[in-house]
Amino acid sequence: SQTIHQWPATLVQPVGSPLSLECTVEGTSNPNLYWYRQAAGRGLQLLFYSVGIGQISSEVPQNLSASRPQDRQFILSSKKLLLSDSGFYLCAWSSGSVREQYFGPGTRLTVT
Amino acid sequence: AQKVTQAQTEISVVEKEDVTLDCVYETRDTTYYLFWYKQPPSGELVFLIRRNSFDEQNEISGRYSWNFQKSTSSFNFTITASQVVDSAVYFCALSAVDTGRRALTFGSGTRLQVQP
Repeated sequence: SQTIHQWPATLVQPVGSPLSLECTVEGTSNPNLYWYRQAAGRGLQLLFYSVGIGQISSEVPQNLSASRPQDRQFILSSKKLLLSDSGFYLCAWSSGSVREQYFGPGTRLTVT
Repeated sequence: AQKVTQAQTEISVVEKEDVTLDCVYETRDTTYYLFWYKQPPSGELVFLIRRNSFDEQNEISGRYSWNFQKSTSSFNFTITASQVVDSAVYFCALSAVDTGRRALTFGSGTRLQVQP
């Protein structure tokens, strides 16, 4: 069966510090991968999605970036965090033939 | 562009009551998928159901049922005999097929609180 992992689970970082969140998927190959952000008490905002290694589509211009160095690995990064980057970051995957997305446990980021 | 509206921000019911969560969507695509997800306090989104635009049959799964009506662009979710464990935020989402865009467009969610 397929599983999706995210780490760290929680993170507290000062403004201006770098960020690296990692997501890995097991049990499937060539998944579509997604990064979402959920601000407190709000819905999900799609940040990036990827249909293959090195292929990244950005939905919202901001100081975040994403990379997919391996088929089942998706990384969300920032060189300098802003207070507005605080939120709950969720990684998700879907297969090419099926539309529903399956989500990881999320990373709760607080920028101080 | 796609849009999903969940007008109910928060609903509070007493255990064993029935509750319906509303979802209205907008899309120009003729082929699309609709979804419901549950987000318990732990935060992880749990997939509940997928419906494609050509299948308007209502679906029932245990205490859960879904009513898809293309004529009103709605995809409502009913929980029968609610339980405390149903307390969560529920999201409706849309995925367009015609444009080839695989990302989901989510509504803002409805927080359901089931009181014992």
